[in-house]
Amino acid sequence: GEDVEQSLFLSVREGDSSVINCTYTDSSSTYLYWYKQEPGAGLQLLTYIFSNMDMKQDQRLTVLLNKKDKHLSLRIADTQTGDSAIYFCAENPSGGYQKVTFGTGTKLQVIP
Amino acid sequence: DTAVSQTPKYLVTQMGNDKSIKCEQNLGHDTMYWYKQDSKKFLKIMFSYNNKELIINETVPNRFSPKSPDKAHLNLHINSLELGDSAVYFCASSQLAGALGELFFGEGSRLTVL
Repeated sequence: GEDVEQSLFLSVREGDSSVINCTYTDSSSTYLYWYKQEPGAGLQLLTYIFSNMDMKQDQRLTVLLNKKDKHLSLRIADTQTGDSAIYFCAENPSGGYQKVTFGTGTKLQVIP
Repeated sequence: DTAVSQTPKYLVTQMGNDKSIKCEQNLGHDTMYWYKQDSKKFLKIMFSYNNKELIINETVPNRFSPKSPDKAHLNLHINSLELGDSAVYFCASSQLAGALGELFFGEGSRLTVL
């Protein structure tokens, strides 16, 4: 099967930057997403990038896309304790019905 | 108002039993999904319905049977529960025709099979 890979765990100090990496599989994906899952809750869309973009910035969040290497990253500036959660990258292949494939998830721990 | 709601939130049952999880969305979306999240937090799609029609059916044992009475509801019935069915089951919805395809998730139903 196809796997969207992420490192499982990241620990940072409050105020530092966090960088979460993802390697996806489908070069035809139109959109690539970052979802956030807080404890005991469902996933929520955090940000996304369209496949014809290299970078997208949204306040403290920066998404970088390297299509050649199928690599996606999420940078969180000035990381706060409220950012502690599991972060999932996801790809949505173009055409037909949506069959969003999620990455393995990265648990971000922010140390006060 | 909860956009995607699932019941029950917790379910503890014995092996061999049959159980159902219900999901409702009030977002007016056309498409609904069931995802399974295992103990390692891996999230896999199981089924998707568009306007009551099954459009995605992953390799899921036929003990799992989804039913969509209308486009706002998608239920999941599981027969002859096994230990390996223990997981958190998430319902989600999206607007299929929308460009972004954002998924809206429920809070999950944690199923524990003893």
